[in-house]
Formats: sequence, structure tokens, C-alpha cells
Amino acid sequence: GQQLNQSPQSMFIQEGEDVSMNCTSSSIFNTWLWYKQDPGEGPVLLIALYKAGELTSNGRLTAQFGITRKDSFLNISASIPSDVGIYFCAGAMLTGANSKLTFGKGITLSVRP
Amino acid sequence: DAGVTQSPTHLIKTRGQQVTLRCSPKSGHDTVSWYQQALGQGPQFIFQYYEEEERQRGNFPDRFSGHQFPNYSSELNVNALLLGDSALYLCASNPGRRTDTQYFGPGTRLTVL
Repeated sequence: GQQLNQSPQSMFIQEGEDVSMNCTSSSIFNTWLWYKQDPGEGPVLLIALYKAGELTSNGRLTAQFGITRKDSFLNISASIPSDVGIYFCAGAMLTGANSKLTFGKGITLSVRP
Repeated sequence: DAGVTQSPTHLIKTRGQQVTLRCSPKSGHDTVSWYQQALGQGPQFIFQYYEEEERQRGNFPDRFSGHQFPNYSSELNVNALLLGDSALYLCASNPGRRTDTQYFGPGTRLTVL
């Protein structure tokens, strides 16, 4: 099935550093979501975006809905060890009839103390 | 609030067998979606149940079927298991059809030998 483009597959950063990741699609979406998944758990929603150009923050996390509506970006500032995990983007064209989310393959983030 | 719960946690089956996975949604949620997450991949949408009916379906064969009960809990059934069906099966629930607000369960790890 279709998956959104997330790369690289893995990222390694030093504690305290900022990290940015992006997600691209061949389709236009009206909703972009960012999730984090820890081992043995399901994904947890971090940030939801609903408008092109929108910039939304959740603590040290900031995400943006790309102007083309085909991409989104997530930035984590001042990383800490508990930021380790897999980060997924998901997009959707949410309407009354459609509520299907399409996910990326995810980026595994490692934080060195 | 127990959140989304799934059973069993792990399951081992052989090719050709049938399997049933179970999901209880978060309290107050009436919509349940099922996802398949293969190793190293993002979740892939299987289908969504709302008001005891399958409302939307992803690109999965008819071997994948489901059911939603009056208490909103749900089952995922997979017939004629293939090796490629080995994956983490995630259940997610949300109120109404707002999948942008969905909560995921921890998943059922299915291994097909």
C-alpha cells in the first residue's frame, strides 16, 4: 500500500541537539499528524496540523504543515534521552466520507547521552 | 481509563490457519480502526468500523474481515494465513469518525510459521 516518504531511516544525535525530520507525499492532504512509537507500544499522537502553512508546538516539538499540502516537518529542540523512538508522519484527506490515514515508514531516532 | 486494549499480546499460527484478534476501545469512543504494521514499516490501514458497520477499507484482501459489537469492541479475523501476514496488528479508537484524534492500543504480535 501507499506510504509517505520519510528519510533517513535512522538518525543519531547528541543529547541537547536539535533535530529536524520531514515527510513528503505525492498526494495533497488536509490533515498532517506526527506520532511517536516506543518499543512494545502503539503510536502516540504528538502534533496535529489542519491548515497549510500552520506551525504548531507541543513543548519542545514544533511541526509545520507545508504550503504545498504535500509535506510536513517536525523539529525536536534540545533533545533528551526519552526522545528515543520511532517517529511517524501520517497524512489524510479527512472528509465526511473518508477518514483513512496514510503513514510513513518512520524514522528511528537515537540520542547519545 | 484503561485506554485501548488488545488481546492476545502475542500469537503464533501456521500457514493456512485462521486467527481472531480482539480490541476494546477507549471509553467514550465508538469508532475502531485496524492497522497492520510489518517490521520496519509504518502502520497500514486495514479497515474502520463505526456503528457496527465497515465504513472504510484499505487495500487488503477479503481474507481480512472484521466485526464491531454493540459495546463498540471489535474483532479482526484473518483466514488462510500466509507467512506475509506476520506483523504487529494495531487497533485504534476515536469518537465519531475523527481519526485525527485516535488512540492506539499496544498491538497484537502475530507470527505465521
